Amino acid sequence: GQQVMQIPQYQHVQEGEDFTTYCNSSTTLSNIQWYKQRPGGHPVFLIQLVKSGEVKKQKRLTFQFGEAKKNSSLHITATQTTDVGTYFCAGLGGGTSYGKLTFGQGTILTVHP
Amino acid sequence: EAQVTQNPRYLITVTGKKLTVTCSQNMNHEYMSWYRQDPGLGLRQIYYSMNVEVTDKGDVPEGYKVSRKEKRNFPLILESPSPNQTSLYFCASSEQVFETQYFGPGTRLLVL
Repeated sequence: GQQVMQIPQYQHVQEGEDFTTYCNSSTTLSNIQWYKQRPGGHPVFLIQLVKSGEVKKQKRLTFQFGEAKKNSSLHITATQTTDVGTYFCAGLGGGTSYGKLTFGQGTILTVHP
Repeated sequence: EAQVTQNPRYLITVTGKKLTVTCSQNMNHEYMSWYRQDPGLGLRQIYYSMNVEVTDKGDVPEGYKVSRKEKRNFPLILESPSPNQTSLYFCASSEQVFETQYFGPGTRLLVL
């Protein structure tokens, strides 16, 4: 079945440093979504990428979807303590798997002031 | 206020005692799903529903049942809970499967 691998599992940075998390799918995805979960909270939607090679920006966050629609990345420029949390990617399958959303394992980001 | 609600928020039970976790959304969303979250494994989809009376298995459906008799509700049923079902459970809904998913606050379940 569809698998989505996310790396790294943990990332510790000093405030002001950049951060990147990567997702790789075993199959071609219809789209990919990114979520952020604060400690003790629930996942909150950040963005969705649909097109091959798509790049979207939200202030200091940059999201990319690979040309083959099998990988994606989230890059945060100049991290702040408010960026702390777990970042998940989630891939939507196609064909007979349409409707099934597979999450990566998540990257836990710690930002040291 | 647009929201997804889950009840109970916390539950301690014993092996084999049937339980139901309720999920309700007030946004008239078509798509609803259940996830379990375990350390190091991320969120794993248990079941999802594209619309009323339509449900499909996610990646980890064993030991769970769901029903979607009306649009707003999507209960998760554990007929005979076992300790390996101890986890944090999230319900989510979205207008369509490819839209923003709104998550409930989570239900922390401990099966002894």
